[in-house]
Amino acid sequence: EAQVTQNPRYLITVTGKKLTVTCSQNMNHEYMSWYRQDPGLGLRQIYYSMNVEVTDKGDVPEGYKVSRKEKRNFPLILESPSPNQTSLYFCASKGGTDTQYFGPGTRLTVL
Amino acid sequence: QKEVEQDPGPLSVPEGAIVSLNCTYSNSAFQYFMWYRQYSRKGPELLMYTYSSGNKEDGRFTAQVDKSSKYISLFIRDSQPSDSATYLCAMDYGNKLVFGAGTILRVKS
Repeated sequence: EAQVTQNPRYLITVTGKKLTVTCSQNMNHEYMSWYRQDPGLGLRQIYYSMNVEVTDKGDVPEGYKVSRKEKRNFPLILESPSPNQTSLYFCASKGGTDTQYFGPGTRLTVL
Repeated sequence: QKEVEQDPGPLSVPEGAIVSLNCTYSNSAFQYFMWYRQYSRKGPELLMYTYSSGNKEDGRFTAQVDKSSKYISLFIRDSQPSDSATYLCAMDYGNKLVFGAGTILRVKS
Protein backbone atom coordinates (compact mmCIF):
# COMPACT_ATOMS: atom_id res chain seq x y z
CA GLU A 1 0.00 0.00 0.00
CA ALA A 2 1.32 3.43 -1.00
CA GLN A 3 1.72 5.53 2.07
CA VAL A 4 3.57 8.16 4.06
CA THR A 5 4.32 7.18 7.64
CA GLN A 6 5.35 9.36 10.56
CA ASN A 7 6.62 8.54 14.01
CA PRO A 8 5.82 9.23 16.72
CA ARG A 9 2.15 10.12 16.30
CA TYR A 10 2.02 11.90 19.65
CA LEU A 11 4.86 13.43 21.63
CA ILE A 12 5.01 15.51 24.79
CA THR A 13 8.40 16.94 25.64
CA VAL A 14 10.05 19.77 27.55
CA THR A 15 11.71 22.93 26.35
CA GLY A 16 15.23 22.40 25.06
CA LYS A 17 15.18 18.61 24.74
CA LYS A 18 16.22 17.67 21.21
CA LEU A 19 13.77 15.53 19.28
CA THR A 20 13.38 13.97 15.85
CA VAL A 21 10.17 13.17 14.02
CA THR A 22 10.67 10.57 11.33
CA CYS A 23 8.94 10.45 7.95
CA SER A 24 9.10 7.67 5.42
CA GLN A 25 7.40 7.08 2.06
CA ASN A 26 7.26 3.93 -0.06
CA MET A 27 6.31 5.52 -3.40
CA ASN A 28 9.83 6.34 -4.59
CA HIS A 29 8.89 10.03 -4.62
CA GLU A 30 11.66 12.55 -5.09
CA TYR A 31 9.89 15.47 -3.43
CA MET A 32 9.16 15.50 0.30
CA SER A 33 7.99 18.26 2.57
CA TRP A 34 7.15 19.12 6.17
CA TYR A 35 4.22 21.28 7.28
CA ARG A 36 2.86 22.48 10.55
CA GLN A 37 -0.83 23.07 11.12
CA ASP A 38 -2.11 25.60 13.63
CA PRO A 39 -5.69 26.75 14.26
CA GLY A 40 -6.67 29.65 12.02
CA LEU A 41 -3.39 29.49 10.10
CA GLY A 42 -3.87 26.36 8.04
CA LEU A 43 -0.87 24.37 6.89
CA ARG A 44 2.44 26.17 6.54
CA GLN A 45 5.51 24.69 4.92
CA ILE A 46 8.61 24.28 7.10
CA TYR A 47 11.14 22.66 4.76
CA TYR A 48 11.07 20.72 1.54
CA SER A 49 13.43 18.46 -0.36
CA MET A 50 13.59 18.02 -4.12
CA ASN A 51 15.80 14.94 -3.89
CA VAL A 52 18.51 13.26 -1.83
CA GLU A 53 20.86 15.82 -0.27
CA VAL A 54 18.76 18.71 -1.68
CA THR A 55 16.73 20.64 0.90
CA ASP A 56 15.36 24.17 1.09
CA LYS A 57 13.46 26.40 3.48
CA GLY A 58 9.73 26.85 3.35
CA ASP A 59 7.74 29.64 4.98
CA VAL A 60 8.46 28.88 8.65
CA PRO A 61 11.89 27.18 8.94
CA GLU A 62 13.13 28.84 12.13
CA GLY A 63 13.90 26.34 14.89
CA TYR A 64 13.83 23.31 12.59
CA LYS A 65 16.37 21.22 10.70
CA VAL A 66 15.95 18.48 8.15
CA SER A 67 18.12 15.99 6.34
CA ARG A 68 17.62 13.85 3.25
CA LYS A 69 20.23 11.11 3.16
CA GLU A 70 17.93 8.54 1.58
CA LYS A 71 15.11 9.00 -0.90
CA ARG A 72 12.47 7.41 1.29
CA ASN A 73 13.23 9.24 4.57
CA PHE A 74 12.96 12.90 5.53
CA PRO A 75 13.31 13.43 9.31
CA LEU A 76 12.40 16.70 11.01
CA ILE A 77 14.75 17.74 13.81
CA LEU A 78 14.03 20.19 16.60
CA GLU A 79 17.38 20.89 18.24
CA SER A 80 15.98 22.96 21.11
CA PRO A 81 12.18 22.84 21.09
CA SER A 82 10.20 25.74 22.49
CA PRO A 83 6.51 26.01 23.44
CA ASN A 84 5.71 27.95 20.25
CA GLN A 85 6.59 24.80 18.32
CA THR A 86 3.63 23.02 19.87
CA SER A 87 1.66 22.07 16.78
CA LEU A 88 0.39 19.34 14.49
CA TYR A 89 3.07 18.31 11.99
CA PHE A 90 2.55 16.65 8.64
CA CYS A 91 5.01 15.10 6.26
CA ALA A 92 4.10 14.87 2.58
CA SER A 93 5.61 13.44 -0.59
CA LYS A 94 5.03 14.00 -4.28
CA GLY A 95 6.08 12.22 -7.44
CA GLY A 96 6.52 14.14 -10.70
CA THR A 97 3.64 16.48 -11.44
CA ASP A 98 1.35 14.63 -9.09
CA THR A 99 0.01 16.38 -6.04
CA GLN A 100 1.21 15.85 -2.49
CA TYR A 101 0.21 12.92 -0.30
CA PHE A 102 0.19 13.44 3.43
CA GLY A 103 1.14 11.33 6.39
CA PRO A 104 -1.17 10.87 9.40
CA GLY A 105 0.38 13.68 11.44
CA THR A 106 2.42 14.06 14.62
CA ARG A 107 0.93 16.02 17.48
CA LEU A 108 3.76 17.68 19.40
CA THR A 109 3.41 19.42 22.74
CA VAL A 110 6.39 21.31 24.15
CA LEU A 111 6.04 22.21 27.83
CA GLN B 1 -2.90 40.06 2.93
CA LYS B 2 -2.77 36.28 2.85
CA GLU B 3 -2.11 34.66 -0.50
CA VAL B 4 -5.12 32.39 -0.02
CA GLU B 5 -8.26 33.36 1.88
CA GLN B 6 -10.81 30.83 3.03
CA ASP B 7 -13.84 31.33 5.25
CA PRO B 8 -13.17 29.19 8.36
CA GLY B 9 -16.85 28.57 9.12
CA PRO B 10 -18.01 26.45 10.80
CA LEU B 11 -20.66 25.70 8.22
CA SER B 12 -23.58 23.62 9.45
CA VAL B 13 -26.09 22.15 6.97
CA PRO B 14 -28.82 19.50 7.03
CA GLU B 15 -28.26 16.17 5.32
CA GLY B 16 -29.02 16.36 1.60
CA ALA B 17 -28.15 20.05 1.26
CA ILE B 18 -25.87 21.46 -1.42
CA VAL B 19 -22.70 22.83 0.12
CA SER B 20 -20.57 25.56 -1.40
CA LEU B 21 -17.02 26.10 -0.17
CA ASN B 22 -14.91 28.94 -1.50
CA CYS B 23 -11.42 30.36 -1.62
CA THR B 24 -9.92 33.48 -3.13
CA TYR B 25 -6.29 34.00 -3.95
CA SER B 26 -4.02 36.86 -4.90
CA ASN B 27 -1.09 35.22 -6.70
CA SER B 28 -1.75 34.81 -10.42
CA ALA B 29 1.24 32.42 -10.65
CA PHE B 30 -0.75 29.60 -9.07
CA GLN B 31 -1.22 26.86 -11.64
CA TYR B 32 -2.84 23.91 -9.88
CA PHE B 33 -5.80 24.06 -7.57
CA MET B 34 -6.73 21.41 -5.08
CA TRP B 35 -9.26 20.59 -2.44
CA TYR B 36 -8.26 18.43 0.48
CA ARG B 37 -10.55 16.87 3.06
CA GLN B 38 -9.28 16.40 6.59
CA TYR B 39 -11.08 14.34 9.19
CA SER B 40 -10.37 14.91 12.85
CA ARG B 41 -6.98 13.52 13.90
CA LYS B 42 -6.10 12.55 10.32
CA GLY B 43 -3.86 13.91 7.59
CA PRO B 44 -5.35 15.84 4.64
CA GLU B 45 -6.49 13.63 1.76
CA LEU B 46 -6.77 14.85 -1.80
CA LEU B 47 -10.35 15.29 -2.96
CA MET B 48 -10.16 17.24 -6.22
CA TYR B 49 -7.31 18.45 -8.42
CA THR B 50 -7.76 20.89 -11.28
CA TYR B 51 -5.52 22.85 -13.58
CA SER B 52 -7.58 25.07 -15.82
CA SER B 53 -10.52 27.37 -15.38
CA GLY B 54 -13.89 25.67 -15.55
CA ASN B 55 -15.63 22.82 -13.77
CA LYS B 56 -14.49 19.33 -12.86
CA GLU B 57 -16.95 16.80 -11.52
CA ASP B 58 -16.35 13.64 -9.51
CA GLY B 59 -19.43 11.98 -8.13
CA ARG B 60 -21.13 14.35 -5.71
CA PHE B 61 -18.22 16.79 -5.84
CA THR B 62 -17.66 19.60 -8.35
CA ALA B 63 -14.60 21.82 -8.33
CA GLN B 64 -14.80 25.17 -10.06
CA VAL B 65 -11.92 27.47 -10.94
CA ASP B 66 -12.22 31.04 -12.18
CA LYS B 67 -8.72 32.30 -12.83
CA SER B 68 -9.88 35.69 -14.05
CA SER B 69 -11.53 36.35 -10.68
CA LYS B 70 -8.93 34.37 -8.69
CA TYR B 71 -11.69 32.35 -7.11
CA ILE B 72 -12.19 28.62 -6.61
CA SER B 73 -15.14 26.69 -5.26
CA LEU B 74 -16.05 23.19 -4.20
CA PHE B 75 -19.67 22.09 -4.40
CA ILE B 76 -20.96 19.04 -2.57
CA ARG B 77 -24.35 17.71 -3.68
CA ASP B 78 -26.59 15.58 -1.50
CA SER B 79 -24.34 16.15 1.49
CA GLN B 80 -23.98 13.29 3.97
CA PRO B 81 -22.98 13.20 7.66
CA SER B 82 -19.80 11.44 6.52
CA ASP B 83 -18.88 14.65 4.66
CA SER B 84 -18.40 16.37 8.03
CA ALA B 85 -14.74 17.39 8.02
CA THR B 86 -12.44 20.32 7.45
CA TYR B 87 -12.02 21.24 3.79
CA LEU B 88 -8.77 22.87 2.75
CA CYS B 89 -8.17 24.61 -0.53
CA ALA B 90 -4.59 24.54 -1.77
CA MET B 91 -2.72 26.04 -4.68
CA ASP B 92 0.50 24.90 -6.23
CA TYR B 93 3.25 27.44 -6.60
CA GLY B 94 6.56 26.04 -7.75
CA ASN B 95 7.76 23.66 -5.05
CA LYS B 96 5.20 24.37 -2.43
CA LEU B 97 1.53 24.24 -1.72
CA VAL B 98 -0.14 27.28 -0.23
CA PHE B 99 -3.17 26.38 1.85
CA GLY B 100 -6.24 28.20 2.95
CA ALA B 101 -7.02 28.08 6.67
CA GLY B 102 -9.71 25.44 6.11
CA THR B 103 -13.51 25.45 6.43
CA ILE B 104 -15.14 23.24 9.05
CA LEU B 105 -18.25 21.56 7.65
CA ARG B 106 -20.87 19.80 9.75
CA VAL B 107 -23.66 17.88 8.05
CA LYS B 108 -26.51 17.11 10.45
CA SER B 109 -28.57 13.95 10.03
